[in-house]
Amino acid sequence: AQKVTQAQTEISVVEKEDVTLDCVYETRDTTYYLFWYKQPPSGELVFLIRRNSFDEQNEISGRYSWNFQKSTSSFNFTITASQVVDSAVYFCALNGGATNKLIFGTGTLLAVQP
Amino acid sequence: KAGVTQTPRYLIKTRGQQVTLSCSPISGHRSVSWYQQTPGQGLQFLFEYFSETQRNKGNFPGRFSGRQFSNSRSEMNVSTLELGDSALYLCASSLGGVGTEAFFGQGTRLTVV
Repeated sequence: AQKVTQAQTEISVVEKEDVTLDCVYETRDTTYYLFWYKQPPSGELVFLIRRNSFDEQNEISGRYSWNFQKSTSSFNFTITASQVVDSAVYFCALNGGATNKLIFGTGTLLAVQP
Repeated sequence: KAGVTQTPRYLIKTRGQQVTLSCSPISGHRSVSWYQQTPGQGLQFLFEYFSETQRNKGNFPGRFSGRQFSNSRSEMNVSTLELGDSALYLCASSLGGVGTEAFFGQGTRLTVV
């Protein structure tokens, strides 16, 4: 069975703090894809990153960085120097096997206080 | 490049009625997937259409159906609405290959009273 766990339900930080959002996944597929999405209050899911199971290289994009570790089945997301505009719900998702179906975690609500 | 467009943005329906939601994908994208988001169940996959054919289906009752047209636009229909169908329905557009990025619309907020 495939599963994504985001154990952190809510995180509150003060602006300029660094914050890490955790994501742990389960799959028996050898080829799979991992995603992070941001959902602001408007409701739209905004694509942030995609990683395939053969690429464990960490990625940095501006203030965002992702750490993919197959040994621990984790795909964590770090925001450096957080800003109020980062406040949103963040979802980790898994796509494995032969379908295009995304399995989502329950999301982490990030509140960045000014 | 225009994003994914979902209409309408908000709907209020009465129990027992039926509803049709629309999704226009990004130009060139052939896959459209539908998801239901509720506070209790989170984001759940409904179905995916690719080149006018349903390619995958989630665990939802037959009251939930969909279709895709030759221009890749998709509609989702829910018949005999129940209170529990109140949710945000999100449409995702992608090129269609497994693992390709899916881009979401702003969703349709359905309230069943």
